[in-house]
Amino acid sequence: AQKITQTQPGMFVQEKEAVTLDCTYDTSDQSYGLFWYKQPSSGEMIFLIYQGSYDEQNATEGRYSLNFQKARKSANLVISASQLGDSAMYFCAMRELYGQNFVFGPGTRLSVLP
Amino acid sequence: DSGVTQTPKHLITATGQRVTLRCSPRSGDLSVYWYQQSLDQGLQFLIQYYNGEERAKGNILERFSAQQFPDLHSELNLSSLELGDSALYFCASSAPGGNNEQFFGPGTRLTVL
Repeated sequence: AQKITQTQPGMFVQEKEAVTLDCTYDTSDQSYGLFWYKQPSSGEMIFLIYQGSYDEQNATEGRYSLNFQKARKSANLVISASQLGDSAMYFCAMRELYGQNFVFGPGTRLSVLP
Repeated sequence: DSGVTQTPKHLITATGQRVTLRCSPRSGDLSVYWYQQSLDQGLQFLIQYYNGEERAKGNILERFSAQQFPDLHSELNLSSLELGDSALYFCASSAPGGNNEQFFGPGTRLTVL
């Protein structure tokens, strides 16, 4: 069964600093995809970044990068140069290539301090 | 704006009632997913449709049903509503192939009184 763990219910970071949000996953499949989503207080879910299990390079999208460590089954999100607008809930999610479910973790609430 | 639309934005109803939530996917997307987000359960996958056919089923109650129409819009029907069904219901869509990244609609907030 798939499972996503996000051990940090809440995180604080100073504006302009980098922050790492942890995500570990559990799957017996070799082919899967890992996703991060942002949910601001307004409620919408915003796709941030994707990492495939066979991708050799860590994914990057602007200020977002994914620190993918396959052997440790971790897919941590790194946000560089934090901005006040980054304050939100962040969800890690996984889908196995041939799986039937798209599983989300419990989320981490990030607060960026001025 | 993700391109996924959901109506209504808010819905207030009473226990025992039935409601229908509507979703229109992004242009070209064939897959539609439904999720329920509540405070105690987090974000739960309910069901997926692909080009009109049910593709995957998650934690969807028997009181809930969904369908995807030929024009690819989807409806989620919730019946015999209980207080615990109060939640934010998201629809998401994804393109065929690719990474299966899902683009979410703004959600429908359902309140059952």
